[in-house]
Amino acid sequence: DIQMTQSPSTLSASVGDRVTITCRASQSISSWLAWYQQKPGKAPKLLIYKASSLESGVPSRFSGSGSGTEFTLTISSLQPDDFATYYCQQYNSYSLTFGGGTKVEIK
Amino acid sequence: EVQLVESGGVVVQPGGSLRLSCAASGFTFDDYAMHWVRQAPGKGLEWVSLISWDGGSTYYADSVKGRFTISRDNSKNSLYLQMNSLRAEDTALYYCAKGYCSSTSCYGIFDYWGQGTLVTVSS
Repeated sequence: DIQMTQSPSTLSASVGDRVTITCRASQSISSWLAWYQQKPGKAPKLLIYKASSLESGVPSRFSGSGSGTEFTLTISSLQPDDFATYYCQQYNSYSLTFGGGTKVEIK
Repeated sequence: EVQLVESGGVVVQPGGSLRLSCAASGFTFDDYAMHWVRQAPGKGLEWVSLISWDGGSTYYADSVKGRFTISRDNSKNSLYLQMNSLRAEDTALYYCAKGYCSSTSCYGIFDYWGQGTLVTVSS
């Protein structure tokens, strides 16, 4: 199985900060990577697919980049609604795998 | 409006069996692959299983292969997960999730999720 490693596991930031989360794959996954946001007690929400394509309705302050084995999720200006846990997920193979998650906390 | 409603989660003893259900509405169910994804308490997400739109292809995580069976009934807009030989490590919130399709292709990602049903494996 392809292993996905996210860093950091926790991130403390303030409203208005630029935030970057990294996801690394144990082997090349081309651009077959998605990002999700999950708030406590809620189901995850799809933010980005194919590494950099923004899902409909997702604010443009979210962006994704990367290919191969290294990917990033960037929030250009952190808003109060963005404090949550973020997961990457690869879909290069039928054995789908998630990263361990990055919790974005209020500084 | 897309809705996915899971049911069937209970407390079950190790070695026991359980069947989860997911009732889908608001979209053409038999156009889409469907998935089960789980989340242990306080932990991250783990993909469990995938079934193709017609039920002809199924895939499983190694952790559940040989113990869990995914199925669907397109006439009832329903997805199922038969869980056998349950272990403590299967304790989790189980989500039903709809596979994502663009205008041209479908992918192994999830654009709609239910609220989950809690399975607890404990003696």
